[in-house]
Amino acid sequence: DAGVTQSPTHLIKTRGQQVTLRCSPKSGHDTVSWYQQALGQGPQFIFQYYEEEERQRGNFPDRFSGHQFPNYSSELNVNALLLGDSALYLCASSPGALGETQYFGPGTRLLVL
Amino acid sequence: DQQVKQNSPSLSVQEGRISILNCDYTNSMFDYFLWYKKYPAEGPTFLISISSIKDKNEDGRFTVFLNKSAKHLSLHIVPSQPGDSAVYFCAASAPGGRQLTFGSGTQLTVLP
Repeated sequence: DAGVTQSPTHLIKTRGQQVTLRCSPKSGHDTVSWYQQALGQGPQFIFQYYEEEERQRGNFPDRFSGHQFPNYSSELNVNALLLGDSALYLCASSPGALGETQYFGPGTRLLVL
Repeated sequence: DQQVKQNSPSLSVQEGRISILNCDYTNSMFDYFLWYKKYPAEGPTFLISISSIKDKNEDGRFTVFLNKSAKHLSLHIVPSQPGDSAVYFCAASAPGGRQLTFGSGTQLTVLP
């Protein structure tokens, strides 16, 4: 039973570029959440997708957008990259509309130069 | 405004002894609490959780205690093992369980 998978594992971009990160949820899970983890901090909630719609959003600008596909996989898009967007981006999945325990993937390490 | 706080950035414990990691929260709407363990270059791994209707939950060597009046939870690991060395995060969610709010983590080092 595969857990949460994310791609790519590492990414280097320059300021102003755009990036797309991908996530496949754990088998049986239909809800996907995205988090940003800066060095030395806990993960910060970006948004959550359920039934292909954004259900809740954290305190992140509109440069951060997402999508969920019919097979429950998800993408995180970040436009106009800033140096401060350098972080570990984590995807988490959970079962059902009220799934409280979220299971995390290994993350994508993004470096913006 | 940090709603979940882990005030100890690091903790060192001798192998075989008890590790106690602490977490405080300020949002009284939180009703579900989780502990995650994170190794370098990996995502957080779910350890144990507790609902606000309980004050204790056990799973093997791990026990989580919740004191709602003090808005405090703790994770006890007994006995501690060198493989437990990692960063531990506590997290909380409000009804609906959509957004997890994390603390800043505690680096646990278990010395052989």
